Amino acid sequence: KNQVEQSPQSLIILEGKNCTLQCNYTVSPFSNLRWYKQDTGRGPVSLTIMTFSENTKSNGRYTATLDADTKQSSLHITASQLSDSASYICVVSTGGGNKLTFGTGTQLKVEL
Amino acid sequence: DAGITQSPRHKVTETGTPVTLRCHQTENHRYMYWYRQDPGHGLRLIHYSYGVKDTDKGEVSDGYSVSRSKTEDFLLTLESATSSQTSVYFCAIRRGQGGYTFGSGTRLTVV
Repeated sequence: KNQVEQSPQSLIILEGKNCTLQCNYTVSPFSNLRWYKQDTGRGPVSLTIMTFSENTKSNGRYTATLDADTKQSSLHITASQLSDSASYICVVSTGGGNKLTFGTGTQLKVEL
Repeated sequence: DAGITQSPRHKVTETGTPVTLRCHQTENHRYMYWYRQDPGHGLRLIHYSYGVKDTDKGEVSDGYSVSRSKTEDFLLTLESATSSQTSVYFCAIRRGQGGYTFGSGTRLTVV
């Protein structure tokens, strides 16, 4: 069964600090891996998308890494801001990108 | 959100009543999806469409039906709502290069 597991479930950090969120997957065949940010009461918004051959992808203060051998990905957030408070969801796609398996998300809270 | 809107945003309905949620896109994308999001679960696919009148089931399709009579509209119907269908429903469109855009969601409560 295709699965995506994220850790930690929740995280509280101080503004300005860095943090790293983890994603492990057992999806086959692998097509690509995406990270989404979901603000409370809103739909998920794409941060990054990586294919099998990509190790790192950045989007501003967000940097995602992918190790296709160990089936792990991470999302690193640099110099966190209050607006980074959200749920971060790891999504792995298969079937040419048409079938998505979602993780349950990491709930990040950034405090003053 | 970027060419996709869902209506209503919130709805409370009684058990046993039919409910229809609407997803509207303005960008003429072929693929549209309905997901539900529940605590402790990742988003789960209910149904999807790959063109006008072309739809298929997802992993949690029981109790739901869909229709797509126009490219821009994808309707999700709960024929007889149950409390287990209390959830947040998201519509999504698939863009080129494999990107997906999600709507803002419909929070449905079945009492």
